[in-house]
Order: sequence, then structure tokens, then C-alpha cells
Amino acid sequence: DAGVTQSPTHLIKTRGQQVTLRCSPISGHKSVSWYQQVLGQGPQFIFQYYEKEERGRGNFPDRFSARQFPNYSSELNVNALLLGDSALYLCASSLGLINQPQHFGDGTRLSIL
Amino acid sequence: QKEVEQNSGPLSVPEGAIASLNCTYSDRGSQSFFWYRQYSGKSPELIMFIYSNGDKEDGRFTAQLNKASQYVSLLIRDSQPSDSATYLCAVHAGGTSYGKLTFGQGTILTVHP
Repeated sequence: DAGVTQSPTHLIKTRGQQVTLRCSPISGHKSVSWYQQVLGQGPQFIFQYYEKEERGRGNFPDRFSARQFPNYSSELNVNALLLGDSALYLCASSLGLINQPQHFGDGTRLSIL
Repeated sequence: QKEVEQNSGPLSVPEGAIASLNCTYSDRGSQSFFWYRQYSGKSPELIMFIYSNGDKEDGRFTAQLNKASQYVSLLIRDSQPSDSATYLCAVHAGGTSYGKLTFGQGTILTVHP
């Protein structure tokens, strides 16, 4: 079975631009979460979506937004990119909403110049 | 105080030894606990999860949970050079946190031949 798939793998943007990252969950998984990981730190929670509704939001500015589609895939959008947005963006899927193991995709490495 | 703290590394053990990785958490209401392994340049891979006090074993891995002490650990028996990676402890608080995982900063483990 296919795992969590993310696209693109790598992305280079300049300050002020906008970016859209995509995620397809494991088949049968209805929950998708997004995390940001900077070098040397653990992932930081950005959003969780379950059944197309936002169920959690981390401490990130409004420049970050996301949505989930009827097929449970998800997009993360970041506007007005800053140098500090350079990071590995991870998508994780799980069967349910609470207390379920989350499985990560390979991530999108975003570099801001 | 950080929400999730892991023992400072890096940790170096000889091949065949037991590696012990420790994690403490601040939210006494936390419900589920996860260990991820992350190789350099890769995404986190789920290796263990535990919900109840006590030990849970899977092959060479044993997760231990003590909710009274707010402590979770991972033991790796017969450590192999391929176990060399960063190990991330993640905690799910439950309740209105829904699926949010809070991660520690990670412990770098090196297994030398």
C-alpha cells in the first residue's frame, strides 16, 4: 500500500512569494496533519484536518492556511514568504482524530532566498 | 519548562549494547506517546507507540511509560549501526488538542562497531 505522498519534494522561492504544498494520505486515513521542522528541532504542529474540517491549529501566523478535499488529500498554503519559513514541511495521516498513530510523508523541503 | 523534553545527546553506544532514550512531558493529561526514528535528511518514521502504563515490546524495541512520573522511554536492545539516527519522542495531549503531537527536540544516537 502506498504511504503518505507529498509534492513537490523540493521547492525554492523568494521572499514575498506564495507556495502551495500537497499531500495525499494513506488510503483509508481521514485525518491529515501538517508540521514544520527546522534543522535540529522536532516537528512543530501547524494544522490538523479531519473530514474536511480544521480540527487544530498551531502557533503559526495567518499567512499559513490549509484545506482538505473530499478525497482527504490536503494542501498547505503559505503567503508572503519569509526567510524563516525555510524548513522541511511534513504531512502526516492517521485513521482517526484522536490518539491515532500518525504516519509521515517524505516531506517538502522549502528554501527561501 | 518545555512541554516535551528528551535526554540531551548525542548518545553513543557500542554495537550490541542497549541504548536507552528518555523523555519527560509536562501535561499530566497526556494520553498517547510515540517514538519516531529520523535518519539524516529523511522524514520521521513511527517505530513505537504506547498508551498504558508499563512496557510494550516489539522486536528489539521496548517502550516504557510511567504516567505518574510523566516519563516515557525507549530501549533498543542489541543496537546495530543501522539504528544510528535521531529519535523523536512525541506526546498527544488528547481532549481539545485533537491530533496535535508535541515533539521533543530529539536525541541523536550513534551506534559504533
